[in-house]
Amino acid sequence: QKEVEQDPGPLSVPEGAIVSLNCTYSNSAFQYFMWYRQYSRKGPELLMYTYSSGNKEDGRFTAQVDKSSKYISLFIRDSQPSDSATYLCAMTPTNTGNQFYFGTGTSLTVIP
Amino acid sequence: GAVVSQHPSRVICKSGTSVKIECRSLDFQATTMFWYRQFPKKSLMLMATSNEGSKATYEQGVEKDKFLINHASLTLSTLTVTSAHPEDSSFYICSARLAGGQHFGPGTRLTVT
Repeated sequence: QKEVEQDPGPLSVPEGAIVSLNCTYSNSAFQYFMWYRQYSRKGPELLMYTYSSGNKEDGRFTAQVDKSSKYISLFIRDSQPSDSATYLCAMTPTNTGNQFYFGTGTSLTVIP
Repeated sequence: GAVVSQHPSRVICKSGTSVKIECRSLDFQATTMFWYRQFPKKSLMLMATSNEGSKATYEQGVEKDKFLINHASLTLSTLTVTSAHPEDSSFYICSARLAGGQHFGPGTRLTVT
């Protein structure tokens, strides 16, 4: 079993839709959770960084962590064509260690 | 936010030659940097973890004599692909470790002919 599971998609939605991206994980030691956005032929860009369970909102993006279910989500409200990209989740047990575990990424297309 | 640059962004080289890729943290110091390789439509594959002033830690299956990593300062790590072959063609991405996770560079596309 992989440490982090992420549905690769592809996911296609109309402009303005609410997008839900998800990852599940198996290691209960993970405490810090990240979401990255990667445009084609570019490096990943850090979107959200959260600690432990709960919600974090930044503009149209909301990151949600449910540690009891080992499940994290990224919600995108009022999706735009510019949101079309691959979204990677990542997690790590500590804030200072070097062990990061990445999902395989979900490809999202927002249709105008 | 934290900015990481990579140079060159794209390089084409002949088989048998060596190529050096630079990764710089522009507005912060990075004790730890990571090097990844990414194939088309695939996820990131960690190659090695680079710590300033010490030898890099390579992942299983990554040839350390082929992929030379140097992290001589807190703002610069380099990856040298030695005696490159067409199968080394890929997208190479570095990242720097910060308290808020990893910050990635824009990537370098290497094509070996």
